[in-house]
Amino acid sequence: AQSVTQPDIHITVSEGASLELRCNYSYGATPYLFWYVQSPGQGLQLLLKYFSGDTLVQGIKGFEAEFKRSQSSFNLRKPSVHWSDAAEYFCAVGAPGTSYGKLTFGQGTILTVHP
Amino acid sequence: EPEVTQTPSHQVTQMGQEVILRCVPISNHLYFYWYRQILGQKVEFLVSFYNNEISEKSEIFDDQFSVERPDGSNFTLKIRSTKLEDSAMYFCAGGGSGTDTQYFGPGTRLTVL
Repeated sequence: AQSVTQPDIHITVSEGASLELRCNYSYGATPYLFWYVQSPGQGLQLLLKYFSGDTLVQGIKGFEAEFKRSQSSFNLRKPSVHWSDAAEYFCAVGAPGTSYGKLTFGQGTILTVHP
Repeated sequence: EPEVTQTPSHQVTQMGQEVILRCVPISNHLYFYWYRQILGQKVEFLVSFYNNEISEKSEIFDDQFSVERPDGSNFTLKIRSTKLEDSAMYFCAGGGSGTDTQYFGPGTRLTVL
């Protein structure tokens, strides 16, 4: 069964600082990988996704993520954080080859941004 | 840009009562899902739905739960007899194909008293 671990429950950074949110997955092959963001009172918004090909993927709002097969990781990065990035971030995996695309989520990382 | 919508945004009910949570997916989506997030816990898969039938369901999705798409637009989740532990945020999602991106609605917060 697939699983996702986000080791950091809560991260605090200063505005303008760089950011890296960690995500490790467990799956027998290369899964489909996603990062979603949830602002308070909002739904889950897709930031970026990896299906295949270039292991560095670009997303919205200046985010990027890198798939590293050897480390079973898909870490999310941003070079300069803005106060509006404060939210909860979820990494998720899906299993290729299954028609129905169930996603398995990590427990989320809450990002706090200090001015 | 089309969005997934969910109603109501917040539902309060008494234990043992039936609730129906409603979702309007994006019109060209074919696959539909319900997830839930108990406060402080992970987002968990409940059920997927395609071609007017359940494709896959989790252990959570027992006989108290049902889904349907009665009119080709609304996608509903019914809980027949709510329990305290059903209190959670329920998210509807849809996608163009089973392994494509899933787009989520804003959620319905269900509170069972």
